[in-house]
Amino acid sequence: NAGVTQTPKFQVLKTGQSMTLQCAQDMNHNSMYWYRQDPGMGLRLIYYSASEGTTDKGEVPNGYNVSRLNKREFSLRLESAAPSQTSVYFCASSEALGYGYTFGSGTRLTVV
Amino acid sequence: QQPVQSPQAVILREGEDAVINCSSSKALYSVHWYRQKHGEAPVFLMILLKGGEQKGHEKISASFNEKKQQSSLYLTASQLSYSGTYFCGTESPLGSARQLTFGSGTQLTVLP
Repeated sequence: NAGVTQTPKFQVLKTGQSMTLQCAQDMNHNSMYWYRQDPGMGLRLIYYSASEGTTDKGEVPNGYNVSRLNKREFSLRLESAAPSQTSVYFCASSEALGYGYTFGSGTRLTVV
Repeated sequence: QQPVQSPQAVILREGEDAVINCSSSKALYSVHWYRQKHGEAPVFLMILLKGGEQKGHEKISASFNEKKQQSSLYLTASQLSYSGTYFCGTESPLGSARQLTFGSGTQLTVLP
């Protein structure tokens, strides 16, 4: 099925460990995004990529890095995980102005 | 700045109507609406563009008042399947890249 695929779905990390969240879309969308969702906070933008080869910081980029590997793939890396990064992470993509975002199913990350 | 949604929560009986409001302190050029069910990803409902018409499908519609920087989502004759958290997302005319900023959500519960 066409859409946005995220891996893994669940992850538990110890403080200080690193990991990469993977995201891929097969809709030929130009723009891709990483959001985190915390209870009562809605969705907050971490990083985005307007097009292949470009990335920019969103509202809450500290502690994260991203790579737009190609048009399909956009990964999010936590270099040294902290308990404050416990959250649900969503990747999304969009085609252009005037179109909605398609979200992946999310990664539930717990940092202990 | 995050758009402000109201109410924070609403409980309805099947067949009743509801209105969810979204307001921003910034000039807007589009408003998105999404619905998220518990444990799932947000799903795009509709987008309203500056200068565009009121949009809708089935019994869910929305309006966008550009001058007041406000949008409203109208759910008519609600069904059990409408239960979930509704988020508005706003885009402002800053730069060339799209950034969607979400409100904190409105939890809608439809009872039989």
